[in-house]
Formats: sequence, C-alpha cells, structure tokens
Amino acid sequence: GQQLNQSPQSMFIQEGEDVSMNCTSSSIFNTWLWYKQDPGEGPVLLIALYKAGELTSNGRLTAQFGITRKDSFLNISASIPSDVGIYFCAGHTGNQFYFGTGTSLTVIP
Amino acid sequence: DAGVTQSPTHLIKTRGQHVTLRCSPISGHKSVSWYQQVLGQGPQFIFQYYEKEERGRGNFPDRFSARQFPNYSSELNVNALLLGDSALYLCASSLAPYPTGNTIYFGEGSWLTVV
Repeated sequence: GQQLNQSPQSMFIQEGEDVSMNCTSSSIFNTWLWYKQDPGEGPVLLIALYKAGELTSNGRLTAQFGITRKDSFLNISASIPSDVGIYFCAGHTGNQFYFGTGTSLTVIP
Repeated sequence: DAGVTQSPTHLIKTRGQHVTLRCSPISGHKSVSWYQQVLGQGPQFIFQYYEKEERGRGNFPDRFSARQFPNYSSELNVNALLLGDSALYLCASSLAPYPTGNTIYFGEGSWLTVV
C-alpha cells in the first residue's frame, strides 16, 4: 500500500520550544490532514489542507500543504505539557486516506 | 452534538470466533469508514460506505466485511479471528465520500484482543 514517511519518529522537547514535523510521499495527494492521538483514544483532527501551497493555522498549530502535493508539515509553537501525544499525518489519494507512522511528542516541563 | 460513537469499547475474543463492531456517525454525516490501528502504527483503511453502498476497500482479507444501515450507522464484521487481528478498530464519519474536500472525524475506537 501507499507509504507516508513521517519524521521525526519521536521528539523530546522543553516546554516553550517550537516543534516541527513533516510527512512526505512518493505520490501526489489532494488532501492532507493532521491528527493528534492520546493513549487509548481515537485521533482528533487538528488541521485540514485541501490546496497545494495552502497554509492554515489553528491556535499555536500551523500546517502547510506542499507545493509539489507530495509533502506537508506541522509546526507547534510555544509547546505546553498538554501537547504530549502522537501526531499523525494523513494524505488522500484514490479512494482512501493513508496515514503516516506517527510522531511521538514528549514535552518536558 | 454527539461525535462518532463506537461500541463496544473493549472486547476479548478467542481465535476462530466472530466479532461485530458498531458505529454511529456524527449527525448529518452520511459516510462511514473503518480503520484498523495496530499498536505503534498509523490507522490502516479497511472500508468506506456511503448511502449503504461500499465506496472503497483496503487491502484486507474477505474475513472482513461491513455494512451501512438506512440511518447511516455501520457494522464491521470479522470472521475466523486471528491473533493478528488484535488492534484498535476506528470508525470515522464524513459528510460525503472522498474526494470532495470533506474531512474525516474519528470515534474513540473499539479495542479488540484476540487470544
């Protein structure tokens, strides 16, 4: 199946620092979504991107749909302890969404 | 408004048994999709349904089947359970099937353990 390369796999940062993670694919996607998943819960939608080059913010979160349509990044500014969790990217092509392997974020107070 | 609701939240089955998982989408959403998430990995697409018709199928064996009801709720059925079927099964709803620019919203999932 389709593979999304998500990096980094894990991050350990100090509270207040900015975070950046990205997803790349060998295929073109027409939608990119970013989710956060806490242990034992379902993924929660953070940001949705529908057009190449689109830059969208949601509070301290900013995500961009790459111009080549093969990548996307998510930035978190001024991290806080509740940002802890696993972040997933998802790209849509064909008739389904494909998910990355996740970035595990740990915020050290 | 209620989000996507799934039941049961946790269940344990033995190899060879059958399981049925249920999902109610967000009110007004007509499309439901199912995903399998194995520990440490991202969700993997199983099925999508819209207006009671299958609109997409992922790379899963025929032991996996699903259906959607007139009220847009859905069931995922898995026959002849294997140990490898142990996973979190996620249901997601959207207004319409892809690719119309709609996003998918997940439920809390059903944890299936096969022993």
